[in-house]
Amino acid sequence: QQQVKQSPQSLIVQKGGISIINCAYENTAFDYFPWYQQFPGKGPALLIAIRPDVSEKKEGRFTISFNKSAKQFSLHIMDSQPGDSATYFCAGGSGQNFVFGPGTRLSVLP
Amino acid sequence: DGGITQSPKYLFRKEGQNVTLSCEQNLNHDAMYWYRQDPGQGLRLIYYSQIVNDFQKGDIAEGYSVSREKKESFPLTVTSAQKNPTAFYLCACTGLTEQFFGPGTRLTVL
Repeated sequence: QQQVKQSPQSLIVQKGGISIINCAYENTAFDYFPWYQQFPGKGPALLIAIRPDVSEKKEGRFTISFNKSAKQFSLHIMDSQPGDSATYFCAGGSGQNFVFGPGTRLSVLP
Repeated sequence: DGGITQSPKYLFRKEGQNVTLSCEQNLNHDAMYWYRQDPGQGLRLIYYSQIVNDFQKGDIAEGYSVSREKKESFPLTVTSAQKNPTAFYLCACTGLTEQFFGPGTRLTVL
């Protein structure tokens, strides 16, 4: 199974700062790239997603940047808030098959 | 109220016992999945089913079994053959593209 790599493993950001999480994939058959947010003891919730025909997608404070040639995509959280403190997973999907990154634990300090 | 539910939220098992985790969805999605999540780690696929009465092994199927008798239900049995079953178990379902997760079941072996 081809991997999705994710970095950093953990991230600490001051309130109001920008959080950036990076992912890289291998499988060029992936046509859907979601990001999930997971709070402790809860299931992951879909945050934002992008398809490879688009280079950027923005929803509120959350932006995905996608570089198809480099097979990389990233999540940017603008004006990070303490409530954003969670674990974030990227994934690559093809049809009904998904491969998840290992996750990034984000802590936003007040 | 559409969604995916899991029960119980917490489950304790004695060594040597089989236990069954419930997963139900009313989203009318064909594909359903079971993942295992260990502390600080990503999601590992146990089993998935793309249609009723059919399912396939994921990356870590040993010691687990599933059934898919109804479209809305995909129970997971953790058998005594699973040597290290203490973990957080997540059920998910997929429609056309997006994967939705349940709230999870935390299984602890005593």
